[in-house]
Parts: sequence; structure tokens; C-alpha cells
Amino acid sequence: DQQVKQNSPSLSVQEGRISILNCDYTNSMFDYFLWYKKYPAEGPTFLISISSIKDKNEDGRFTVFLNKSAKHLSLHIVPSQPGDSAVYFCAARRWGSQGNLIFGKGTKLSVKP
Amino acid sequence: DVKVTQSSRYLVKRTGEKVFLECVQDMDHENMFWYRQDPGLGLRLIYFSYDVKMKEKGDIPEGYSVSREKKERFSLILESASTNQTSMYLCASSETGGKAGYTFGSGTRLTVV
Repeated sequence: DQQVKQNSPSLSVQEGRISILNCDYTNSMFDYFLWYKKYPAEGPTFLISISSIKDKNEDGRFTVFLNKSAKHLSLHIVPSQPGDSAVYFCAARRWGSQGNLIFGKGTKLSVKP
Repeated sequence: DVKVTQSSRYLVKRTGEKVFLECVQDMDHENMFWYRQDPGLGLRLIYFSYDVKMKEKGDIPEGYSVSREKKERFSLILESASTNQTSMYLCASSETGGKAGYTFGSGTRLTVV
């Protein structure tokens, strides 16, 4: 039973345009959400996070939006750059847990020059 | 400044061999995790540990064991390597409570022939 779903395995975007990566979750007990970025042959690196008490968090070109009623979050990258090409994982933490994160399956973003 | 170190980037082992994957973190984190990443399957949790000498099974523990004799070190053991254990193995650590999020190592690409 997948609690964190990334329904798009891949996304292709033109350089300079907006990339929108989506993530849905089923567990209303999640209190923190994170996005990780992973290049081939490297470990995932933390990108941006959002607490469940907020609906938006912004960091430079990256913005995460949280819609709790829809149990949906999205990562916006504006403007997209070729160096953003990577696999993006959405992750969620359950309130009261010891920090265990549940990951989605990832979305491979390709930004074309 | 490397914070989570995995001993090998690439490893080739024969079927039936006992394989040790080592992970060391220097952030004094309580929690440590082992994941494997496979195309289309995302990150799957093998084992995790909340403290020294403690271990908990993740989603796919079969064929694996772990050891945590010191806080900074978490070892993954493949008792008898099989070809279906060919994968990218990722170690991560996190602190309990506070800000969520893992710090990942660079990964070990294991090939079992």
C-alpha cells in the first residue's frame, strides 16, 4: 500500500520553463514533507521541505506547495535549468515517528536546452 | 565536508558470497537507515536502527542483516549474495525529533554475478 505516490515516472521540460512535480499521499498523520534530488551514481540530496502547518515554502528557484485537503504537494522549479535534470523523490514523515521517512518512487526530470 | 560515508562506490561480488557494506556518519545522529534503489521501485527500506545495538526490519529485510556496534557505524550484510540483490544501496542518518530529514551517503553500486 503506497502511502506516498508520484504518479509521473518522468517529465520533460524546456530550459527556462516551469517544472511541476507532483506528489500525493494517503496518510493524514504526516506532519512534514520533503523533496530530495538524486543524480545517477550519487546519493539523494535534500532540496526543500514543508511543515504540514504551512501551505507554501520557497527557496530560490524552488517552491513547494501543500494542499492538505487534497493530500497533495507539488514542487515548482522556475526557471528550469539543464542541471536540474535528475530524479526527484517526494518523502513524508509520520507525526510522532522517530523520523522515518516514506518515499515516493520518484520522477525523472529532463530539462532540454 | 562528507558527513555520511559509504566504504565502496562500486562492488562486484559472486553469487553466494557474504558481502559487507559499511556506512559511517560523523553527525552524532541516533538513527541510521539502509535503502536500496531500483528503477521504477524508488527507495525501499531494508533495515534501520534507532540506537546502538538496536535494529528494526524495514520493508524488504529478507536476505539481509545489519549490525550497529557503535553509534556512528551501521553495516549491511548480505548473508549469501544473489543476483537479485544487484542494486544501488544507500545509507542515511537522521537525528531523532526536531527537523526531519535524512543525510544520505553517496551510495554503493553492487553487482552480483
